[in-house]
Amino acid sequence: EDQVTQSPEALRLQEGESSSLNCSYTVSGLRGLFWYRQDPGKGPEFLFTLYSAGEEKEKERLKATLTKKESFLHITAPKPEDSATYLCAVNTGKLIFGQGTTLQVKP
Amino acid sequence: EPEVTQTPSHQVTQMGQEVILRCVPISNHLYFYWYRQILGQKVEFLVSFYNNEISEKSEIFDDQFSVERPDGSNFTLKIRSTKLEDSAMYFCASSGEFRGETQYFGPGTRLLVL
Repeated sequence: EDQVTQSPEALRLQEGESSSLNCSYTVSGLRGLFWYRQDPGKGPEFLFTLYSAGEEKEKERLKATLTKKESFLHITAPKPEDSATYLCAVNTGKLIFGQGTTLQVKP
Repeated sequence: EPEVTQTPSHQVTQMGQEVILRCVPISNHLYFYWYRQILGQKVEFLVSFYNNEISEKSEIFDDQFSVERPDGSNFTLKIRSTKLEDSAMYFCASSGEFRGETQYFGPGTRLLVL
């Protein structure tokens, strides 16, 4: 069965304290792995798409990497405005989402 | 920047009533999707739509649900007889020419069934 698991479920960081979020997956027929940001009561906002192992994408303080079994979202020197839930999803023709990591960055 | 829009933002209905949720996908996109998120739970796939027909649907998408693209811009989700457990955020998404392309999501419709 296709499965996506994210860890940790929640993460509290001080402003400037770098960390990584993990997304491990077991799927057949992967057509890409996506990272989204979701603010409370809002729709998922696209961040990155990764298609093959070894691929990396960067945007401001965020960097996403992909291996054959997992993906990491690295957050460097986070700011309070980075506080949100970060969702990982694998594309098998439809998106299968993990449960998300809720990040809180304190000033 | 093009974006997916959804209306209404909130909908309150009585159990057993029909609701129609509306979406305007990004204009040059060809694949359309509905997902839902029950409060505190994962985002779940409902249905995908391509070339004016359903290409895939989940177990959740039973006979009470239907989708339609009534014109060149709108994409709708109809729930014929709502149940309490249909209360959720419903998200529309669209993607471009190829199945592996990024799916862009709308802001959602919060449906509350009383």
